[in-house]
Amino acid sequence: AQSVTQPDIHITVSEGASLELRCNYSYGATPYLFWYVQSPGQGLQLLLKYFSGDTLVQGIKGFEAEFKRSQSSFNLRKPSVHWSDAAEYFCAVFNAGNNRKLIWGLGTSLAVNP
Amino acid sequence: DTAVSQTPKYLVTQMGNDKSIKCEQNLGHDTMYWYKQDSKKFLKIMFSYNNKELIINETVPNRFSPKSPDKAHLNLHINSLELGDSAVYFCASSQTERSGETQYFGPGTRLLVL
Repeated sequence: AQSVTQPDIHITVSEGASLELRCNYSYGATPYLFWYVQSPGQGLQLLLKYFSGDTLVQGIKGFEAEFKRSQSSFNLRKPSVHWSDAAEYFCAVFNAGNNRKLIWGLGTSLAVNP
Repeated sequence: DTAVSQTPKYLVTQMGNDKSIKCEQNLGHDTMYWYKQDSKKFLKIMFSYNNKELIINETVPNRFSPKSPDKAHLNLHINSLELGDSAVYFCASSQTERSGETQYFGPGTRLLVL
């Protein structure tokens, strides 16, 4: 069955430190992968996506993610975190089967220390 | 211009009442969704409509009835509200593609049932 695992429920980093949020997926075909961010009290905003091509994708707000098929991973990275990055981060894979829908991870909550 | 909008943003009501949430998208997309996000931030798809046709109906109580008057609108009516219906409800839209589809989200409707 298709699934997305975000192993870290909560992460705290210091402002200016680097960040890596992990995402592992289970999907039989070519995965279409997404990262969304949800700031407190807000909706979900698309950070970046991978459909094909270059396995390192750039997104908004200085984020990037790397697709590694051999590890079934799509980890999100940022070289220097800002206090405004404190939010909930969701990884998702698109199920292109009969019920076309996103399969979501449970999210990782990021706190940023000043 | 807001791409996906929802009204109302907040909804506080008593148990047993009936309420509606409205969603509109101006992206020209052919598919719209309703999600429920519980207090633990878990995102659960409820319904999706493609060109006004119901595509996904994920074991949602039949107190919840979606209605899509046209491709740009998807409303959610909830009968006999229960305490467990308290959550954030997100509307989203996407355009059907042969490959992956990107969903764009509204700001959410925060429903509190007392």
